Amino acid sequence: SQTIHQWPATLVQPVGSPLSLECTVEGTSNPNLYWYRQAAGRGLQLLFYSVGIGQISSEVPQNLSASRPQDRQFILSSKKLLLSDSGFYLCAWSAGTSGYEQYFGPGTRLTVT
Amino acid sequence: KNQVEQSPQSLIILEGKNCTLQCNYTVSPFSNLRWYKQDTGRGPVSLTIMTFSENTKSNGRYTATLDADTKQSSLHITASQLSDSASYICVVSGGSSYKLIFGSGTRLLVRP
Repeated sequence: SQTIHQWPATLVQPVGSPLSLECTVEGTSNPNLYWYRQAAGRGLQLLFYSVGIGQISSEVPQNLSASRPQDRQFILSSKKLLLSDSGFYLCAWSAGTSGYEQYFGPGTRLTVT
Repeated sequence: KNQVEQSPQSLIILEGKNCTLQCNYTVSPFSNLRWYKQDTGRGPVSLTIMTFSENTKSNGRYTATLDADTKQSSLHITASQLSDSASYICVVSGGSSYKLIFGSGTRLLVRP
């Protein structure tokens, strides 16, 4: 069966520090991968989307970036965190696009101080 | 503008009671509508997914309905349990896009 992992589960970082969040998927190959951010009381916002290694689509302009160095690995990064980067970050995967279920990871709670 | 609106924003019910959550959307073209359950501090978990031609879909005590003409959906929870306390998120997929439009969710609290 397929599983999706995210780490760390929680992170507290000072403003201006770098960020690296990792997501890995097991039990499937060539998944579509997604990074979302969820602010308190708000709907999920899609940040990045990837259909394959090295293929990244950015949805919103921001100081975050994403990379997909391996088929089942998706990394969210920042060189310098802002206070507004605080939130709950979710990684998800799907076997395809429209009509395919998206399966979410456990999430990372990021607090920028 | 593609939007998904949910009501109520929050809801408190007693254990054993039924409740219905509402979702209105303006997403076009429409592909499918999903309901997710999200426990606090966890990732969302899918409850149902319905396409244009489906009116009702059940998953245990959860029953979702879809009226594609009025662009409305509801999630009915029967005989609520304490473990049903969570946020319920309505999500719409439009056309062939990978992009999902998320509602802001209904926060349900089931009290003993």
